[in-house]
Amino acid sequence: QSVLTQPPSASETPGQRVTISCSGSSSNIGTNYVYWYQHLPGTAPKLLIHRNNQRSSGVPDRFSGSKSDTSASLVITGLRSEDEADYYCATWDDSLSGRWVFGGGTKLTVL
Amino acid sequence: QVQLQESGPGLAKPSETLSLTCIVSGDSLSRNYWSWIRQPPGKGLEWIGFIFFSGNTNYNPSLKSRVTISIDTSKNQFSLKMSSVTAADTAVYYCARGGTRGRGFDSWGQGTVVTVSS
Repeated sequence: QSVLTQPPSASETPGQRVTISCSGSSSNIGTNYVYWYQHLPGTAPKLLIHRNNQRSSGVPDRFSGSKSDTSASLVITGLRSEDEADYYCATWDDSLSGRWVFGGGTKLTVL
Repeated sequence: QVQLQESGPGLAKPSETLSLTCIVSGDSLSRNYWSWIRQPPGKGLEWIGFIFFSGNTNYNPSLKSRVTISIDTSKNQFSLKMSSVTAADTAVYYCARGGTRGRGFDSWGQGTVVTVSS
């Protein structure tokens, strides 16, 4: 059971928009930055969004992040086949002496 | 451009100690925090801990009693030791740059599979 809650799957057709949610609590998302990672199995995870809404270098502006209270979202517009991957949210959690926590991951399928 | 490469045995026996090394190129260990993260089969990512070049460490409380992360700046590498492993420790293990709450993990290795089995 992950500390951060993400939908296990999402799907949309090419060119469309998809939103992936990440729900936490006051001890994690409520007080710390949220990060989003893209992961293709067998490869190194890639940092997409840092500090809630800042795109990492080279990440297209089709990807955007936001945070409100204890939840965060990753939005991908103009979906492309190469966006098909697993997406994880992450943040620092101030409970239990502090630790990084991840969402369970959302598998995005581009139909 | 920074590159990270994990290395170590792909098989560990139950109750033994798992040992992995991460070799870093393209960056100095003296300028960042360095982390270990793992992903059990079919599950999500789990942070194990991080180390700063000074030797300061911070571990996931759920693993703290079994984990040691060390650093060797002369070889530009850092290492993970996890004792008393069980089948639940079977996972892909990643090393990554970063770990402070203001930065996250901005570069990762490809990961190495470790299976715990007799």
